[in-house]
Amino acid sequence: GNSVTQMEGPVTLSEEAFLTINCTYTATGYPSLFWYVQYPGEGLQLLLKATKADDKGSNKGFEATYRKETTSFHLEKGSVQVSDSAVYFCALSDPRAGRRALTFGSGTRLQVQP
Amino acid sequence: EAGVTQFPSHSVIEKGQTVTLRCDPISGHDNLYWYRRVMGKEIKFLLHFVKESKQDESGMPNNRFLAERTGGTYSTLKVQPAELEDSGVYFCASSPNLGTLREETQYFGPGTRLLVL
Repeated sequence: GNSVTQMEGPVTLSEEAFLTINCTYTATGYPSLFWYVQYPGEGLQLLLKATKADDKGSNKGFEATYRKETTSFHLEKGSVQVSDSAVYFCALSDPRAGRRALTFGSGTRLQVQP
Repeated sequence: EAGVTQFPSHSVIEKGQTVTLRCDPISGHDNLYWYRRVMGKEIKFLLHFVKESKQDESGMPNNRFLAERTGGTYSTLKVQPAELEDSGVYFCASSPNLGTLREETQYFGPGTRLLVL
C-alpha cells in the first residue's frame, strides 16, 4: 500500500534560517505529491503540489521537487519567518489508480523563534 | 466563496454516547472526504463520497461509524456508541470532479475536535 514518512518534529529554527523538512513515500502507482500546512487554530491548507517527476511545486517561498528516483518530496524554504510556525504534512494521492484519497505523513511541527 | 465548514468545532462526550459531526462542502464540489487525526498521529482517510454515493469507505474503522450524504450536499458522520479511542480531530475535505486522470485539490475544513471521556 501507499505510505508517507516525514521527519519528526518539532523543528525549532531562528528567523531567517534555512528550512528543510524531509518527506519520502512508497506508492504502488504514480502518485501526486502535496504539502499541506496547518496554522494554529486553523484547518489544513494546501501549500504546494507536484503531479509528475521533476516537477517543482512552490508557494510563499516554499519549494519541493518531485524526485521519483529517490521517492522524495522534501520541503525547503530559504529564510523562514515567525509566521511560518505551523504543522506541515506531506501527502500523496494516486488518482490514476483510482485512489483520490490522500495518504498523509505524521506531520512536522515547525517553530520559528524571533 | 465560502470554504468547507464543519460543525461543531469541539465536542466532549462520555463513552457510550452518540455524536454526529456535520460537514458542508464548497458549493458544487462533488467529492467529499472524511479524515481523522488521532492522538497527534498521521491524518488517516475514512471515506470518500462522490455526490451521494460512497466511492471508497475502506478507511472506516468499524461499524460504529456511519456516514451519510443525502442529496449530495452536506454530510454527517455519526459515531455510535463512542469509545475512548475515537478521540481526535475529524477533518472534512471537498474537491470538484475534474475527471479520472486530472488531479484536483482537496479543500479542508477546520476540523471537529472530539474528546470521548
